Amino acid sequence: GESVGLHLPTLSVQEGDNSIINCAYSNSASDYFIWYKQESGKGPQFIIDIRSNMDKRQGQRVTVLLNKTVKHLSLQIAATQPGDSAVYFCAERPGAGSYQLTFGKGTKLSVIP
Amino acid sequence: DAGVIQSPRHEVTEMGQEVTLRCKPISGHDYLFWYRQTMMRGLELLIYFNNNVPIDDSGMPEDRFSAKMPNASFSTLKIQPSEPRDSAVYFCASSFAGSGDTQYFGPGTRLTVL
Repeated sequence: GESVGLHLPTLSVQEGDNSIINCAYSNSASDYFIWYKQESGKGPQFIIDIRSNMDKRQGQRVTVLLNKTVKHLSLQIAATQPGDSAVYFCAERPGAGSYQLTFGKGTKLSVIP
Repeated sequence: DAGVIQSPRHEVTEMGQEVTLRCKPISGHDYLFWYRQTMMRGLELLIYFNNNVPIDDSGMPEDRFSAKMPNASFSTLKIQPSEPRDSAVYFCASSFAGSGDTQYFGPGTRLTVL
């Protein structure tokens, strides 16, 4: 079946630099996307979401970009901090009326002090 | 708000034993999800409920797995009999359709079957 995938399994970033985590999705009918952060020993934590009628959404230090043409999603973290070190997952919802999410495998972000 | 509560946080059992995982969703949420996370397969949806009714259990691996939601504030995931390949972290999540689709996850139960 269709699934959400990630380009980079690991990412190391210097503290203070910007981070970009990428995600490819294959279901063109997906209408809602979420980024989650998971720290060691904890459950996934909501970061930011975006609906398919948007191409950009900003939060505090985070921005999500959606390119429906190439089915690509990215999470940008500004001024990366040590506390940002975690595994980041993208998830997609396969269409209106569905409350299921399909998760990618995750990207591990390591922040170098 | 206390968030989603799961118990136990860790469970170690022997093959063949029955395991029961528990979840208390966020008050007022009408959707509840059970996930399993492993290194090999990532985060997989097992089953989800809406207003205490199971909607889709197609992710439940086999008949050894069962889930119930007797009321809006409690759900269980049971494995009987358990097998070593069931070892994983099991997460419960809840959401409220009226305020968006964001699922809020609990801290998870780490299950080890020897």
